[in-house]
Amino acid sequence: NAGVTQTPKFQVLKTGQSMTLQCAQDMNHNSMYWYRQDPGMGLRLIYYSASEGTTDKGEVPNGYNVSRLNKREFSLRLESAAPSQTSVYFCASSLAGGGRYEQYFGPGTRLTVT
Amino acid sequence: KQEVTQIPAALSVPEGENLVLNCSFTDSAIYNLQWFRQDPGKGLTSLLLIQSSQREQTSGRLNASLDKSSGRSTLYIAASQPGDSATYLCAVRRGNNAGNMLTFGGGTRLMVKP
Repeated sequence: NAGVTQTPKFQVLKTGQSMTLQCAQDMNHNSMYWYRQDPGMGLRLIYYSASEGTTDKGEVPNGYNVSRLNKREFSLRLESAAPSQTSVYFCASSLAGGGRYEQYFGPGTRLTVT
Repeated sequence: KQEVTQIPAALSVPEGENLVLNCSFTDSAIYNLQWFRQDPGKGLTSLLLIQSSQREQTSGRLNASLDKSSGRSTLYIAASQPGDSATYLCAVRRGNNAGNMLTFGGGTRLMVKP
């Protein structure tokens, strides 16, 4: 049982390039989330998917798109990377979107945009 | 807007000490509070989840308390060990829907010296 996995672990992009961050969970969870973590800003929610087939914006969605490919997979796409998107990105999942369920996090993707 | 503060930002203690980490939040209308541990270069691991109706939760050497009316939570670690060295994050959730996002504090970086 791998839990939440993310690929790649590290990525360097030039301004304007695009890329997709992949996330998968094997816990049969319904809800999935994308966060970014920046020094002094803590973790902030980018997008979430309460259940398969639905996605919604979080606190900082600008510059990102997401796809809930199936129940297991939730990808985050940067269409035109900017230096302000340099961050560590975490994917998380929970059994359901209700607040009483714990969120389980992946190991993160460290992205640098030059 | 909910703000979550963790003080101190960093703490260094000798092995064996009992210690308390603090978390405060500005809006007492929370649904629950979650404590996480983050090791360097890794994702977050959920430690304890306290519902707003609860006063405390315990797991092994960890005990988390919640005083919703005063906007405070503490994480008590008994008999600290070098393996406890990590960053500890608290996060609060306003409601029970998936759209009620977690608001994270900035974390307390703990170092337990042998």
